[in-house]
Order: sequence, then C-alpha cells, then structure tokens
Amino acid sequence: NAGVMQNPRHLVRRRGQEARLRCSPMKGHSHVYWYRQLPEEGLKFMVYLQKENIIDESGMPKERFSAEFPKEGPSILRIQQVVRGDSAAYFCASSPRGGDYEQYFGPGTRLTVT
Amino acid sequence: ELKVEQNPLFLSMQEGKNYTIYCNYSTTSDRLYWYRQDPGKSLESLFVLLSNGAVKQEGRLMASLDTKARLSTLHITAAVHDLSATYFCAVPGLYNNNDMRFGAGTRLTVKP
Repeated sequence: NAGVMQNPRHLVRRRGQEARLRCSPMKGHSHVYWYRQLPEEGLKFMVYLQKENIIDESGMPKERFSAEFPKEGPSILRIQQVVRGDSAAYFCASSPRGGDYEQYFGPGTRLTVT
Repeated sequence: ELKVEQNPLFLSMQEGKNYTIYCNYSTTSDRLYWYRQDPGKSLESLFVLLSNGAVKQEGRLMASLDTKARLSTLHITAAVHDLSATYFCAVPGLYNNNDMRFGAGTRLTVKP
C-alpha cells in the first residue's frame, strides 16, 4: 500500500510565476490536509478537503492560494504570483476519515522562490 | 487560540544519557501525537496517545499524556546517535479537529 505521494519534491519558481503542488492520498483515504512548514518552524495547517469539497480553509491565505481535490486525480495546492515569502516545505497528509483521526504525511514539496 | 509549546527547542546530549522533552498545550484535548522529522524529510508518526494517563514505549523512546495538566512528555533513555532528529508534538485543532496544531519542534542532537 503506497503512502501519501507528493510531486514535485522540489520546485523552483521565479517571483510572479505560479506553483502547482500535487498530492495523492493513501489508498482508501478520502480526506486530505495541506500544511506549510517554514524553515526552523513547526507545521501550520492550511486547508482540509474531502473529494470535491473544501471543508476548512481557515489556515490558507485569502489571496493567491487555492486548493482543490477533484473527484478524479490528486489534490492540488495552487499558489499564484509567488513571492519569496512563499518559499517553504508544503506537506500533504491524508486520513481515512475526518475529525481527529491520525493523519499520514507525504514527503513534502520544497518550494523555492527566486 | 490553541497553543502548543515544546521545550526545549534545542537539545544536545551525549550518547547514553537520558532526557525528557515537554509538550504543553492550551486547550482540553484527549489525544496527542508525536512525530519525528529527519532533515529534508517528511514526518514519521511515533506515538498516538489517546487518553489521559496513556503511556507508550518504542525502543528508547517513551511518551506519556496527562490531559488534566495538558502535558505530554517524550522521554529518551540511553540516547544513541540515530535518535538525532527534530521531534514534534501535535494536538487536534480547537474548534473542529480538522487541523493538527504543531509545536515548534525540538531539535535533538546526540553526540558520541
């Protein structure tokens, strides 16, 4: 059973470009969470999605950031017009159900904005 | 606002020594998670503590949870170099449990 998969693992973007980060949850998991980790810090919650629905986006910046989890395919975190402050590691986690069920983390995507 | 505080944030210890990492949180929660993260890697689940008084052990690590004191501890016994990593505690979010709230992490270095 493959774990949570994320791609790309490393992404370099120039200021003003768009970044698309993908997350495929573990088999049988329909709940996906995105977190951001700045250097030397803990993870900060961004958004929680189920298939085709955003359940909680309270941790996501209102501007430039969006997330989706379509019926088919991976969940995508999209950052438009990236700025240097967006440079971070972005982790996706999945769980078989919501609430406070244990979450399983992917390897992360390290975004560098130059 | 839910706060999760770990201390120490940095810990350097000799092999063979014992030490404890503390995790305090500011709201009622009956479960807590400990994760390990190696540099440049993802988070590896270490322990899931599901009730007051829960104690779990794996190798040289032992975790406990006191929900009344809102405190969890991660105890390291006879440390070895392989334990060098950053350790995070996390609790479910305050209002809807959808998000995990993480501590800032404890960066552990075990020296020979």
